[in-house]
Amino acid sequence: GQNIDQPTEMTATEGAIVQINCTYQTSGFNGLFWYQQHAGEAPTFLSYNVLDGLEEKGRFSSFLSRSKGYSYLLLKELQMKDSASYLCAVKDSNYQLIWGAGTKLIIKP
Amino acid sequence: IAGITQAPTSQILAAGRRMTLRCTQDMRHNAMYWYRQDLGLGLRLIHYSNTAGTTGKGEVPDGYSVSRANTDDFPLTLASAVPSQTSVYFCASSDLAGEADTQYFGPGTRLTVL
Repeated sequence: GQNIDQPTEMTATEGAIVQINCTYQTSGFNGLFWYQQHAGEAPTFLSYNVLDGLEEKGRFSSFLSRSKGYSYLLLKELQMKDSASYLCAVKDSNYQLIWGAGTKLIIKP
Repeated sequence: IAGITQAPTSQILAAGRRMTLRCTQDMRHNAMYWYRQDLGLGLRLIHYSNTAGTTGKGEVPDGYSVSRANTDDFPLTLASAVPSQTSVYFCASSDLAGEADTQYFGPGTRLTVL
């Protein structure tokens, strides 16, 4: 079967750096997405990786290793507004998105 | 309208009743999707449509139907609601162009079936 694994919950301190990991086993691979979802709101797009390596977007970076079935989202200079769930999703061989259950990130002052 | 809208925002429904969740996008995206989101589970695809006039089944299609009469609208119908359909429902769209084909989500409908 297809599977996306992420930690259920993580806690970090304001101003610090946090890394949220995602491992996947899917039938085919056509890209990996990270979304942010604040409580009670819709998911919003953060990043996309299809080739191995690091993609940087301001305070957020996303890394992909296709051979290891692994990605991480790195958040720097954490702010209280970064408290949210972070969803990892992989586009499979049918070009459908397979979603992880999400990682709830709690930021403490 | 800007982006994707969904209606209603929330609904409490008696089991056995018929319900249609509405979704409209103004981005002229080709593809539209319906997901459900349940606590502890990832988003699960119910139905999708790659272009007006076509639809396909996702991971959890049973008990749901969709139609795509035009580019903008993609309603989801529960013919006879059951308590296990209590969930938050998100509609999304993408333009199926380019490598990323990013999906953009509506605000969601919170449905409770009693």
